[in-house]
Amino acid sequence: DAGITQSPRHKVTETGTPVTLRCHQTENHRYMYWYRQDPGHGLRLIHYSYGVKDTDKGEVSDGYSVSRSKTEDFLLTLESATSSQTSVYFCAVSAGVSTDTQYFGPGTRLTVL
Amino acid sequence: AQSVAQPEDQVNVAEGNPLTVKCTYSVSGNPYLFWYVQYPNRGLQFLLKYITGDNLVKGSYGFEAEFNKSQTSFHLKKPSALVSDSALYFCAVRVLGGNKLTFGTGTQLKVEL
Repeated sequence: DAGITQSPRHKVTETGTPVTLRCHQTENHRYMYWYRQDPGHGLRLIHYSYGVKDTDKGEVSDGYSVSRSKTEDFLLTLESATSSQTSVYFCAVSAGVSTDTQYFGPGTRLTVL
Repeated sequence: AQSVAQPEDQVNVAEGNPLTVKCTYSVSGNPYLFWYVQYPNRGLQFLLKYITGDNLVKGSYGFEAEFNKSQTSFHLKKPSALVSDSALYFCAVRVLGGNKLTFGTGTQLKVEL
């Protein structure tokens, strides 16, 4: 698992509330990613980070923000949760880009009622 | 834009028979191709990748994949399927210098006795 933990593992929340998901890694990888997994869509990139305080948007970034104040932690915030954000969220890490393998965390199942 | 297609939502195979999970890709430039496996309620596990060199790549758990540039394919294969191989399989592609790993929609493999 490349030393990746995600918290919480499960969360149920209500529409309109803010939610923060945490990804923690122990192996000092430079790159960190947030994906969401939905049936029929595979995994889609939300945001990624290429260093402390360096982040960029992925293909489905609307309604999400991220922060990375330490190498080991990458936070994903849903500013005002909507039912369309009900999904399974995965964090991933890699040492570099292009040829480097991404390793995934165990996931967080989020339900927005 | 880069894309990956997994044309089969589900593949059924009898234990002991060979299995193939299909993947085709579209990129500008040379592709870097990956296969991941996901067991129920788990994160994605890396199986193998093609970067350059030999078109036949060997990976974990007896899986292998063949890169075919003319057919833009990267099919996953195993000579003899096991019931424990039953899982969701994802193909993914990235290009040189690219941060973005693009995933297919996944293929559910079911191996029956």
